Amino acid sequence: QVQLQESGPGLVKPSQTLSLTCIVSGGSISSGGNYWSWIRQHPGKGLEWIGYIYHRGSTYYNPSLKGRVTISVDTSKNQFSLKLNSVTAADTAVYYCARTYYYDSSGSFDYWGQGTLVTVSS
Amino acid sequence: EIVLTQSPDFQSVTPKEKVTITCRASQSIGSSLHWYQQKPDQSPKLLIKYASQSFSGVPSRFSGSGSGTDFTLTINSLEAEDAATYYCHQSSSFPYTFGQGTKLEIK
Repeated sequence: QVQLQESGPGLVKPSQTLSLTCIVSGGSISSGGNYWSWIRQHPGKGLEWIGYIYHRGSTYYNPSLKGRVTISVDTSKNQFSLKLNSVTAADTAVYYCARTYYYDSSGSFDYWGQGTLVTVSS
Repeated sequence: EIVLTQSPDFQSVTPKEKVTITCRASQSIGSSLHWYQQKPDQSPKLLIKYASQSFSGVPSRFSGSGSGTDFTLTINSLEAEDAATYYCHQSSSFPYTFGQGTKLEIK
């Protein structure tokens, strides 16, 4: 069974860059038909899709994040990463990585990491 | 951006009751609608994909229906372990979006 695990700093200072990595196990990140997403959840709130990447490098980002996001993939390590720059307190959230299973040109999030809380504070 | 509106926001129900949660999309999304269950301090789990397909390992009391703009998640014979927040999600167009969530409390 596919498993995902997020890692990265739990505390980031305002204006700096949030960096997280998601390690995939139990399956290859290069397997066809799957994209790899980042999703966040503000404390006590709903879910927000940040964006995703295909193993060949193509990406799509949520415009709400106004160009602050970069998602990259390292197939040799079977992992993908998130960078969010110029963070503010509004970026404080639990960040999840998830596999996006693609069928008929649309995707569902079938496997999720446990999530990691990132707090933006000086 | 497609807006998904769930109803109700909160429901208090008794075990063995049948529960229906609805999700309405601001424009037609075909069958590109998925349902997730999130228990406190856990990550969301996929229940139903593409409106009506059960995900592997999900109990048969969970079912989904609908297409276009109106969708329904049904839980037959509710169990205490079903206390959670339920979210719908659309993947018809970018950016992917979620409903605001429906919290189920078990009496």
